[in-house]
Amino acid sequence: EPEVTQTPSHQVTQMGQEVILRCVPISNHLYFYWYRQILGQKVEFLVSFYNNEISEKSEIFDDQFSVERPDGSNFTLKIRSTKLEDSAMYFCATSRGYNEQFFGPGTRLTVL
Amino acid sequence: AQSVTQLDSHVSVSEGTPVLLRCNYSSSYSPSLFWYVQHPNKGLQLLLKYTSAATLVKGINGFEAEFKKSETSFHLTKPSAHMSDAAEYFCVVTRANFGNEKLTFGTGTRLTIIP
Repeated sequence: EPEVTQTPSHQVTQMGQEVILRCVPISNHLYFYWYRQILGQKVEFLVSFYNNEISEKSEIFDDQFSVERPDGSNFTLKIRSTKLEDSAMYFCATSRGYNEQFFGPGTRLTVL
Repeated sequence: AQSVTQLDSHVSVSEGTPVLLRCNYSSSYSPSLFWYVQHPNKGLQLLLKYTSAATLVKGINGFEAEFKKSETSFHLTKPSAHMSDAAEYFCVVTRANFGNEKLTFGTGTRLTIIP
């Protein structure tokens, strides 16, 4: 069964450093999403992406965040200058549309 | 706008007894509703979904949920709990039949199974 994959599984970085989180979507999916889950809290929407454009973004997704699909397969989330409060589990999700989203296993980001 | 309220942050049941995890939703649109499960240190797995077809939805591992529009509820049930059901469960709402809509999660219910 096809699945969404994410790399790395765990990323440790220093405050102020840039990080790039990577996701490989299911091959025939066209809609891509990033969510995050701070430890002990609920899963929050960050951004949705379709046809090489951001469709919607939340208040969390400020100028420090960006997304792209650089090579037609990987879908990446970049945080330019990480803060302590960016520490969270980041989930990629993909969809063919019409609601059902398939989630990857997540990347745990730890900012020191 | 849409939101989800999971009425219990923690539920404990004995193995072999029924499970009930409660969820109420609010949505300005016709909703699609989901239950996702997250086992410790794992990703999110879809248990079941309601997308405006049958109101009683069956999912994996013996779980069911019933969509009740009049009560704006989508409670998750299982007749007999198993130790492997211990996990965090999230009720999720989105706008039905809308191609690119974000998911809105509840705060989660931690299910503990007592041997």
